[in-house]
Amino acid sequence: AQTVTQSQPEMSVQEAETVTLSCTYDTSESDYYLFWYKQPPSRQMILVIRQEAYKQQNATENRFSVNFQKAAKSFSLKISDSQLGDAAMYFCAYKALSEGGSEKLVFGKGMKLTVNP
Amino acid sequence: GAVVSQHPSRVICKSGTSVKIECRSLDFQATTMFWYRQFPKQSLMLMATSNEGSKATYEQGVEKDKFLINHASLTLSTLTVTSAHPEDSSFYICSARRAGTVGSGYTFGSGTRLTVV
Repeated sequence: AQTVTQSQPEMSVQEAETVTLSCTYDTSESDYYLFWYKQPPSRQMILVIRQEAYKQQNATENRFSVNFQKAAKSFSLKISDSQLGDAAMYFCAYKALSEGGSEKLVFGKGMKLTVNP
Repeated sequence: GAVVSQHPSRVICKSGTSVKIECRSLDFQATTMFWYRQFPKQSLMLMATSNEGSKATYEQGVEKDKFLINHASLTLSTLTVTSAHPEDSSFYICSARRAGTVGSGYTFGSGTRLTVV
């Protein structure tokens, strides 16, 4: 079974600084998707960024970028120029690629990010 | 685009009564919807996968008769908590995947906080 591990339960960063959130996963599949979701105090889950495993290029979305290391099964999220609005719970998630495979997202336990002014 | 509406956002009910939570995809068709439960400061726990026009697939340990899921149309899935008890108090979140997509991020509803008194 696929598992997603976020080993750091909490992190803090100074406003305007850069922070990296770690995530590792375990799977026997060769093709899959990885996601980072953000859950602010409103509890609304928001997609931050996604990565297709068959793409070697790391995904980027403005201040958010990932470091995807397929062999190491590592998928870290880097937030640059941190803003107060980035404070939230961050969840790493995995999904198998195949249409006939499981549709469900497998989530890590989450990490609480605090941004200090 | 890709908006999922979930209602109600909060509900308080008496022990022994039933509560229905609705999840609607407003601007897209969702052949598959998912229902999660989230305890305080914890990750999302998948309860069931809801497919339009067929029976839901429940995760191991989830009581089918207590958590009734209906996915009657491509835009609506409902979760009914039957004979609710205080231990059912939790935050329930739905998500939907746009029909015809495989690896796109799933869109989440804003969640429902259920309190059983």
